[in-house]
Amino acid sequence: QVQLQESGPGLVKPSETLSLTCSVSGHSISGRYYWGWIRQPPGKGLEWIGNLHHSGGTYDNPSLKSRVTISVDTSKNQFSLRLTSVTAADTAMYFCARGGCLSSTCYRENPFDSWGQGTLVTVSS
Amino acid sequence: QSALTQEGSVSGTVGQKVTLSCTGNRYNIRSYSVGWYQQVSHGAPKTVMFANSLPSGIPDRFSGSKSGTTAYLTISGLQPEDEAVYFCSTWDNSLSAHVFGGGTKLTVL
Repeated sequence: QVQLQESGPGLVKPSETLSLTCSVSGHSISGRYYWGWIRQPPGKGLEWIGNLHHSGGTYDNPSLKSRVTISVDTSKNQFSLRLTSVTAADTAMYFCARGGCLSSTCYRENPFDSWGQGTLVTVSS
Repeated sequence: QSALTQEGSVSGTVGQKVTLSCTGNRYNIRSYSVGWYQQVSHGAPKTVMFANSLPSGIPDRFSGSKSGTTAYLTISGLQPEDEAVYFCSTWDNSLSAHVFGGGTKLTVL
């Protein structure tokens, strides 16, 4: 069974870059699936940040105005998130997740079937 | 404001059947598969319904359906451990993004 675990600094200064890693176990990141990042500000709902496929396709939320970079390291079975020019509005719990497959068909549009535990990132000086 | 609309809160008694709804439009719910996620006490979301299919380990009292631009999550035989916030999500082709509903807080009385 796939397991995902987020890691990274819990505190980032305003205007700096947030960097997180998602370590995947129990499943190869080089398979058919898409992998994504979702965040949840304190007391609020969920917001999709972006998805990637190990082959190189990445898709991020247009509302984040090109501040997002998602990359993969297949040798470590990990994928990462970089979010530049952070502000207090980027304070949130950050989750990594796997996009599911339907009848063995894996599209970037599919919902998520597995989630990490999340990591809290606070933006503050 | 969320692209998908969910009830703010729903309540039910143990053993009751409750149905949560998630309303969107032709660019999202009508066109793409829907996921439902359970979040207990601000913990990690857990997928309880994936495109109207039950993920492994989820009790069969959970079921999903879709009609037009609205998706539904039904819990038959409500249990105390079902108390949580439930979010729906799908792809939105007009936004080119995964979108989520605002969440429904389910209280088991």
